[in-house]
Amino acid sequence: QVHLLQSGAEVRRPGSSVKVSCKTSGGAFMNYGINWVRQAPGRGLEYMGGILPIFGSTDYAHHFQGRLTITADTSTGTVYLELSSLRSDDTAVYYCGSQTMVPAALRHFMDVWGTGTTVIVS
Amino acid sequence: EIVLTQSPGTLSLSPGERATLSCWASQSVSGSDLAWYQQKPGQAPRLLIYGASSRATGIPDRFIGSGSGTDFTLTISRLEAEDFAVYYCQQYGSSPLTFGGGTKVEIK
Repeated sequence: QVHLLQSGAEVRRPGSSVKVSCKTSGGAFMNYGINWVRQAPGRGLEYMGGILPIFGSTDYAHHFQGRLTITADTSTGTVYLELSSLRSDDTAVYYCGSQTMVPAALRHFMDVWGTGTTVIVS
Repeated sequence: EIVLTQSPGTLSLSPGERATLSCWASQSVSGSDLAWYQQKPGQAPRLLIYGASSRATGIPDRFIGSGSGTDFTLTISRLEAEDFAVYYCQQYGSSPLTFGGGTKVEIK
């Protein structure tokens, strides 16, 4: 059973960057795509991008291209989201979600989710 | 990108009643690649349905997904207390992945 453990809450100034981590355990980390989805206060879910560690391939939503970098550290089973040029509307809970039912694929549904990381830009 | 529109925005029902939630896509969703999630306040989303109609592991059979092309439905046959939550559809047939705006199922 895969578990996703996310890093703690962050507060950042506008124009700065933030890096959020998502550490996997209990599964074959390399084989499953991991996506990042965020949720602004009182709003719905927004896909940001994802990574397939086994191939190092990534996918980014157009809205975030140029500001978003998703990486994976295969030695620790950890995926990172780094968002730069932060604005107040980047204030949100950031979730990682794993595609453990669909090995070796990007852009699928997510069956295991982290508990979320709150990022406040103020 | 495929835009998903969910309706209604809010559904007010009593326990034991049937809930019907709709999700319309702006273009045909490839391969019925549509999922439904449940989210409760302060919690991460939980996968209910994938492939438009397949229940995820541990999901009760009162949750029924149906539809294809551009029209999809999530039916909760008899609402239980723990089902009052927000529900999102998500398509994964085309890039980028997109989510609907959500339907809140609240206690009447």
